[in-house]
Amino acid sequence: EPEVTQTPSHQVTQMGQEVILRCVPISNHLYFYWYRQILGQKVEFLVSFYNNEISEKSEIFDDQFSVERPDGSNFTLKIRSTKLEDSAMYFCASSENDFYEQYFGPGTRLTVT
Amino acid sequence: AQSVAQPEDQVNVAEGNPLTVKCTYSVSGNPYLFWYVQYPNRGLQFLLKYITGDNLVKGSYGFEAEFNKSQTSFHLKKPSALVSDSALYFCAVRDINNFNKFYFGSGTKLNVKP
Repeated sequence: EPEVTQTPSHQVTQMGQEVILRCVPISNHLYFYWYRQILGQKVEFLVSFYNNEISEKSEIFDDQFSVERPDGSNFTLKIRSTKLEDSAMYFCASSENDFYEQYFGPGTRLTVT
Repeated sequence: AQSVAQPEDQVNVAEGNPLTVKCTYSVSGNPYLFWYVQYPNRGLQFLLKYITGDNLVKGSYGFEAEFNKSQTSFHLKKPSALVSDSALYFCAVRDINNFNKFYFGSGTKLNVKP
């Protein structure tokens, strides 16, 4: 069964550094998403991406965040200058269309020190 | 605004007994409701969804959920729990104004004891 994959599984970085989290969505899916889950809290929507542009973003997704689909398979989330409060599990998801369920990757645990 | 609530942080049940994981929702308009499960060190896995139609929705691994409009609930159920069902369960609602956005509940940890 096709899966969403994410790399790395754990990323440790120092405050102020840039990080790029990578995702490979399911191949025939057209809609891509990033969510985050701070330890012990809810899963929160960050951004959705379709047709090479952001279709929706939350108030969390400020100018420090950006997303890109650099080629036909990868979908990345970049945090330009990490803060301590960016420490969380980041989940990538994809869906066939905007009506269907979303399929999630295993997550990247980001630790900012 | 759309939201879901999971009133129980944890549910404990003995193997073989029926289980229920509760979810209530608050939406303006018709709800699009989902259940996901998260096993340790894994991503969220889709279990089932309610969009329209029959109030009893059947999903993966023998799970089902009952949509109750009058009680604004979408409880997850299984007639006979397995130890392997032990995991974190999330209820979610889709934003009717923007299908791209999901709102998740806080999660309920299900412990099934042998």
